[in-house]
Amino acid sequence: GAVVSQHPSRVICKSGTSVKIECRSLDFQATTMFWYRQFPKKSLMLMATSNEGSKATYEQGVEKDKFLINHASLTLSTLTVTSAHPEDSSFYICSARSSGGDYEQYFGPGTRLTVT
Amino acid sequence: AQSVAQPEDQVNVAEGNPLTVKCTYSVSGNPYLFWYVQYPNRGLQFLLKYITGDNLVKGSYGFEAEFNKSQTSFHLKKPSALVSDSALYFCALRDSGYSTLTFGKGTMLLVSP
Repeated sequence: GAVVSQHPSRVICKSGTSVKIECRSLDFQATTMFWYRQFPKKSLMLMATSNEGSKATYEQGVEKDKFLINHASLTLSTLTVTSAHPEDSSFYICSARSSGGDYEQYFGPGTRLTVT
Repeated sequence: AQSVAQPEDQVNVAEGNPLTVKCTYSVSGNPYLFWYVQYPNRGLQFLLKYITGDNLVKGSYGFEAEFNKSQTSFHLKKPSALVSDSALYFCALRDSGYSTLTFGKGTMLLVSP
């Protein structure tokens, strides 16, 4: 089946620094990728939708200048948390939608971000 | 607007007993319905989906779900629960092949030995 990877799986950074999370579709092309944030024992909150080669569409309440999303190729999207603060600590999950006709969403394993 | 409701925060069941995790939905068009499972600190794993066809959908790990249009429900079931089934389960919906998934809040399933 379709595989989506995320890197890193967990990261600890100091407050004020920036951290980049990569999301890759390993065996399919994804014109659309999604970034979710999940708080402990809570549902997934969609942060933004990114389409290859164009600007991401952010959900209401998500700061686009803080959460920079780049979708430079059909297999890679990146989320950069800029000037991270402890409240940005969370589990970030990406998802890639196949452009091959079934439009299924495949999820990455998630990245645990801890800001100290 | 479309929505998904999972009325139970937690479901407890003894190993070997049947389990049901409930999901109801609201959508204006034809629903595309999904169940995902999440283990601690992991991403979502696809279990099964309903697009069209038979109302009873069989998926991974012995799970199945029944689509009921009149009750707008898509409950997840398994005839005999395993301790390893303990995890967080999400029901999700979209109203077309191209729209964004809407997730329920999740239901924690705890299977006791």
